[in-house]
Parts: sequence; C-alpha cells; structure tokens
Amino acid sequence: QQQVKQSPQSLIVQKGGISIINCAYENTAFDYFPWYQQFPGKGPALLIAIRPDVSEKKEGRFTISFNKSAKQFSLHIMDSQPGDSATYFCAASMKGGATNKLIFGTGTLLAVQP
Amino acid sequence: EPEVTQTPSHQVTQMGQEVILRCVPISNHLYFYWYRQILGQKVEFLVSFYNNEISEKSEIFDDQFSVERPDGSNFTLKIRSTKLEDSAMYFCASSHRTSGSTETQYFGPGTRLLVL
Repeated sequence: QQQVKQSPQSLIVQKGGISIINCAYENTAFDYFPWYQQFPGKGPALLIAIRPDVSEKKEGRFTISFNKSAKQFSLHIMDSQPGDSATYFCAASMKGGATNKLIFGTGTLLAVQP
Repeated sequence: EPEVTQTPSHQVTQMGQEVILRCVPISNHLYFYWYRQILGQKVEFLVSFYNNEISEKSEIFDDQFSVERPDGSNFTLKIRSTKLEDSAMYFCASSHRTSGSTETQYFGPGTRLLVL
C-alpha cells in the first residue's frame, strides 16, 4: 500500500526525442506527487510536482500527466537533451502527521544519446 | 540560493563503531528528514523531525539510530554501533510549508558511509 512502482528501470533516448517514465501507486491517501532528478554523487533535486486535483502540469520541457482513476502518473521530457541524462525518481506523500515523508519509486536511469 | 549542506561527504568506519552524520538545513525550514540510499537502490525514508522531536520513523530506524538538533542550525543522525548493512548514502532534507500546505523537500548532497 505504501509502495510506488516505477518503470522502466532504464531508458535510452535520442537527443530531441521524448522520454516517458511511468509510476503507479495504490494508496489513495497520497496527495502530493513530486519527481526528483539525481545526478551521480548528488542528492535528489525536485524537478516538478503535482497534486491529484489536476490532470497535467507543465514546466518548460517537463510535463507530469496524472490519472487519478488509474492511480498512475508519468513524467514526459520533451526535446530530451544529453544534459537530462540522470536518474529520475517519482515519489508520493500524504498529509496526516506533522511531517510528510516521501515514498520513492525505484528510479529510472535515463541516458540521452547525442 | 540556500541549500542543505552535509558533512562529511564520505565516512569510512569499522563495524561496531559510532558515527555521527551532520546536516545544516536551510535556515527558515522547520521540518527535517533523513533518508538513505543503498547503492543502486531507491531512496528510503528513515526519520522525520519537527518541533524538537521525532515525528515519524521507519522500521529501519531502530534503537541504534538517533537524531538530534543540538542547536538552531545543525541536525545530526547518530548510528551507535554500525553494521555492514548500514553502508549507504545518507541524505538530509529540510522543508517548510506554504499557506497551501505544499511542502517541497530540499535534499543535501549526502554522506557516503562505508562500514568495513
């Protein structure tokens, strides 16, 4: 119930292509869904986030699509660039306590080939 | 831009030894977290801290672990007697809440702990 399932494990995309990473969850109490980007040796950095009251959020080349009924959400990276090569984690959290821990997916290693 | 800092960046220790990992959260943040990431695996929640006390902890966070905010700026994770399986990257994160209850957690660069 607390898990977030992420796929694919790895992804190779040509420069200029679209990268798509998918996540699914079970717990309907989750109400915040961020995507984090992690470069080797660095901490995760927030990329974009969405709440379940909207179906899509776009920031530059990055878009989250959210399907509440299917309990799925995905990250689309348009016009993928070699600098986008990193590991991407989806995550989820819920309100309830004083703090909101993040439940992370297993990560997707993206390689964008020039 | 303010950022979360962590020291040391790398720590090598012998099994059974105590280690203290240090974090300086972003100055106006009130919510603090420790996560860990075993090599090649996902980031896992360890513990959260608010108002000078533990708010939530995972099953990983057993009696060998403790957290402390000894002063107004530092946030520490202590492992009393390290085990081989404690080898991981440990991330500190901090956040604040906006009026809409949105909370963005900002992560530090991590401390890579190796237990021999």
